[in-house]
Amino acid sequence: EAQVTQNPRYLITVTGKKLTVTCSQNMNHEYMSWYRQDPGLGLRQIYYSMNVEVTDKGDVPEGYKVSRKEKRNFPLILESPSPNQTSLYFCASSLTVMNEKLFFGSGTQLSVL
Amino acid sequence: KQEVTQIPAALSVPEGENLVLNCSFTDSAIYNLQWFRQDPGKGLTSLLLIQSSQREQTSGRLNASLDKSSGRSTLYIAASQPGDSATYLCAVYYSGAGSYQLTFGKGTKLSVIP
Repeated sequence: EAQVTQNPRYLITVTGKKLTVTCSQNMNHEYMSWYRQDPGLGLRQIYYSMNVEVTDKGDVPEGYKVSRKEKRNFPLILESPSPNQTSLYFCASSLTVMNEKLFFGSGTQLSVL
Repeated sequence: KQEVTQIPAALSVPEGENLVLNCSFTDSAIYNLQWFRQDPGKGLTSLLLIQSSQREQTSGRLNASLDKSSGRSTLYIAASQPGDSATYLCAVYYSGAGSYQLTFGKGTKLSVIP
């Protein structure tokens, strides 16, 4: 089944403890991206990747890192999480950067205490 | 900076009614516009994608139109059903200073009453 898989689904952590949220797609998509969704602010793009080893900042990249060493994986890294990074995170992918529908993962609810 | 606005924020209609959701964007230099559906606690599902050169796209009971020059898009849902209840979001791809950013509206929460 074609899908975007995020793990974990729920995560509770403490301030400053490094964490990684994984994202994997099995559709051979070139484009992958990360978003956070907050009440009243909607969905905002964090980082995106147009292909392996090619990443760029979205609207809210501060406090986040990404890497794209393989086509199928695009992990989101929080080196030193803070409470303002408590949010619902989504990973998405599409065949190419613009002209294809985006496929979303089921989301990761992160709480930073 | 691109801004995307969706009006209304919430809409409640009786089953069977035809309805229109609105999306507007401030920068007309877009590559495409997508409409998504989000069910509570779940990810987004892409419904329709309209390229910047297109005027509309249709899928079943859904029809999306795009007027790039005026910065507007509408999503028309015919003969609404309770299963259509969800939040609908629009998003535009645009090129800002050589990057390819995707900007979302905050969504319209639709409730279809049986």
